[in-house]
Amino acid sequence: AQTVTQSQPEMSVQEAETVTLSCTYDTSESDYYLFWYKQPPSRQMILVIRQEAYKQQNATENRFSVNFQKAAKSFSLKISDSQLGDAAMYFCAYVQYGNKLVFGAGTILRVKS
Amino acid sequence: DSGVTQTPKHLITATGQRVTLRCSPRSGDLSVYWYQQSLDQGLQFLIQYYNGEERAKGNILERFSAQQFPDLHSELNLSSLELGDSALYFCASSVSALLDNEQFFGPGTRLTVL
Repeated sequence: AQTVTQSQPEMSVQEAETVTLSCTYDTSESDYYLFWYKQPPSRQMILVIRQEAYKQQNATENRFSVNFQKAAKSFSLKISDSQLGDAAMYFCAYVQYGNKLVFGAGTILRVKS
Repeated sequence: DSGVTQTPKHLITATGQRVTLRCSPRSGDLSVYWYQQSLDQGLQFLIQYYNGEERAKGNILERFSAQQFPDLHSELNLSSLELGDSALYFCASSVSALLDNEQFFGPGTRLTVL
């Protein structure tokens, strides 16, 4: 069964600091994609970053970067220079053949000013 | 704004009733997905349609059904509603059914069953 585990229900970070959100997944497939989605209080699902499993290079999008460890099935999200607008629920997700997104339980990120 | 629209935004109904949620995908997108977000189950995939045909099924109850019409909009029908069906229902769309296609999410329909 495909599973995504986010072991941190809640995280806090000081504004301008760096925070890392953890995610592990389980699959026997070799071809898949991994994502981090942000869900602010508006409830809109916003794609933050994605990683193709066949790429060794870690994806980066401005202040957001991932640490993709394929052998360990680990996919963490690093947010640098945290801003108040980063406060949200963050979901790690996985997709393989069949295209259904499998989501983790989410991590609430609080940003302190 | 993702370009995916969902109506209505909010829906309040009673147990035993039937409701229809509507989704219009982004222009040009052929694939539509439905997801349910509830407190106890989290975010779960329900069903996917591609160009009018059912493509994949997830944890969708028999009381729920969906379809995608020739103009590519989709409807999710929920019947014999129970309290536990209260959730946020998302529609997402993508260009095709290929694995690398990004899914764009609509704003969701919040269903409350009383």
